[in-house]
Amino acid sequence: GAVVSQHPSRVICKSGTSVKIECRSLDFQATTMFWYRQFPKKSLMLMATSNEGSKATYEQGVEKDKFLINHASLTLSTLTVTSAHPEDSSFYICSARANRGVQPQHFGDGTRLSIL
Amino acid sequence: AQKVTQAQTEISVVEKEDVTLDCVYETRDTTYYLFWYKQPPSGELVFLIRRNSFDEQNEISGRYSWNFQKSTSSFNFTITASQVVDSAVYFCALKGYSGNTPLVFGKGTRLSVIA
Repeated sequence: GAVVSQHPSRVICKSGTSVKIECRSLDFQATTMFWYRQFPKKSLMLMATSNEGSKATYEQGVEKDKFLINHASLTLSTLTVTSAHPEDSSFYICSARANRGVQPQHFGDGTRLSIL
Repeated sequence: AQKVTQAQTEISVVEKEDVTLDCVYETRDTTYYLFWYKQPPSGELVFLIRRNSFDEQNEISGRYSWNFQKSTSSFNFTITASQVVDSAVYFCALKGYSGNTPLVFGKGTRLSVIA
């Protein structure tokens, strides 16, 4: 079946560094990918919708300069957390949907980001 | 606006008991999709089921069954003869008909199955 690969699975870094998370659809093309954030014991909150070849659409309250999204190809979207601070520590998860037909959204395994 | 409500925050059952996880949704769309996902402690989301709004037939898959009631906007999930491995957070989610709309998740129900 369709697989979404998310890398890295875990990141621990110092405050002030930038962290890039990759989301790849391995066996299908995805014009649109979604980035979610999950706080401990909380639900998944949509951060932004990533569109191939155009700017991402951010949800209200999400800083676009803080969370840079690039969707350069039909199989890859990246989320860069710039100048990360401890409050950015969270579980980030991406999802993608195949372009053709009605498909369920497939999720990556998530990235656990810890900022010290 | 779309909304998914999972009123049960945490449920604990003893192994082999049946358990039902509730999900109530709100949407103005006439066509939509409903999902259930399982999130084990490792964090990844495991897809369990997708249901179209125009298909109210209940579904059974092994020990899992789903009851879709459009009249009450509910899409409940039952695990029969629960097992310890069923312990996880379960999310109900809603998606509009348009292909590029995201999933809207409920807050999740944490299920603990005790041996």
